[in-house]
Amino acid sequence: SYVLTQPPSVSVAPGQTARITCGGNNIGSKSVFWYQQRPGQAPVLVIYDDSDRPSGIPERLSGSNSGNTATLTISRVEAGDEADYYCQVWDSSTDQGVFGGGTKLTVL
Amino acid sequence: QVQLVESGGGVVQPGRSLRLSCAASGFTFGSYGMHWVRQAPGKGLEWVAVMWYDGTHEHYADSVKGRFTISRVNSKNTLYLQMNSLRVEDTAVYYCAREHNYLSDYWGQGTLVTVSP
Repeated sequence: SYVLTQPPSVSVAPGQTARITCGGNNIGSKSVFWYQQRPGQAPVLVIYDDSDRPSGIPERLSGSNSGNTATLTISRVEAGDEADYYCQVWDSSTDQGVFGGGTKLTVL
Repeated sequence: QVQLVESGGGVVQPGRSLRLSCAASGFTFGSYGMHWVRQAPGKGLEWVAVMWYDGTHEHYADSVKGRFTISRVNSKNTLYLQMNSLRVEDTAVYYCAREHNYLSDYWGQGTLVTVSP
């Protein structure tokens, strides 16, 4: 089965840039979605189709996907960005959704 | 606005059954696939199942295949998850989510299922 690998944690100071990676075999050939989940809340879609933002998501959040790594970039990090972030793809070989293990973003 | 409201969670013994519901509003339910995703306490997200918009196709995670059944009644704007032969490891918050390009855009707030002896 397809595996997505995320770092368990990323820490960044306010105003700096956070990059959260999502590794998978030839993930660049798949469409990657990113979700933000604040404590006690449901996940919220922040990036879809590798780099598109739903309405209401700030431009500070961006996505890229190439080769074996997809990346969620959060510029000018704010305290409110502190959350768990999950990447997801659809594995068409098994017709199953696959999530990465999640990354906890800590704002120092 | 899109709204998804899950219900049916609770405490159940191992081996028993439970049916979850997801009431949808704010969009044309019959035009969208729908997912179930779960999250065990303190753990990450786990995809569970999907049913496409017209109910013709459904797919499951290996961990629930043969025990869980996803279904929908488009005339009632409702998605279901029938969970049989429940195990302790099925304990989780269960979310329903609307399908977008095979994955999910809008999510409900979830319903907690606890499987305990």
